Amino acid sequence: GAGVSQSPSNKVTEKGKDVELRCDPISGHTALYWYRQRLGQGLEFLIYFQGNSAPDKSGLPSDRFSAERTGESVSTLTIQRTQQEDSAVYLCASSLRTGGQPQHFGDGTRLSIL
Amino acid sequence: RKEVEQDPGPFNVPEGATVAFNCTYSNSASQSFFWYRQDCRKEPKLLMSVYSSGNEDGRFTAQLNRASQYISLLIRDSKLSDSATYLCVVKYDYKLSFGAGTTVTVRA
Repeated sequence: GAGVSQSPSNKVTEKGKDVELRCDPISGHTALYWYRQRLGQGLEFLIYFQGNSAPDKSGLPSDRFSAERTGESVSTLTIQRTQQEDSAVYLCASSLRTGGQPQHFGDGTRLSIL
Repeated sequence: RKEVEQDPGPFNVPEGATVAFNCTYSNSASQSFFWYRQDCRKEPKLLMSVYSSGNEDGRFTAQLNRASQYISLLIRDSKLSDSATYLCVVKYDYKLSFGAGTTVTVRA
């Protein structure tokens, strides 16, 4: 497809389990962002990838969170030992270049921790 | 203090009404400003950029006051399809900071 693709669209898991979320950016988009959106709240920046540069991980809330991106393609966000406060929608966005607008968002992964 | 603060609303207005709302931002070095729209349980989408001179896009008018660090959005002749949450977004370097959103509901 032409847009940002995220999978799974929904994930329900037990507290303490690890989860892996996937993002396929728009082809040719060098910049990729991960955000978290809790119910009724704004988007929180988590991590930013730009080409082969070192990622900006300053938004990751704890060391249980990590993300990888291979070149300018797929990215995965991993949450280890999930906690109930990790429940949120995790949104991925890509843009053509650093800071470029618009950022194109995927539909998000709705994560629920029981 | 949050980087971007918005009146959460909700604003409930009849079709055809004008509705306006605003946000404030804390980083005076912010470089670019936007309004995004987010429909219920959907991803955010860029509505329009905001410039100091003010700009219009059809029924939507955005204003930026850098001195007061204040951004506004006005919707004229509102339609049912304008019902959504409007996110005020501020950019510094490559990072976007999002407000929590203002919910607008347009009723028939």
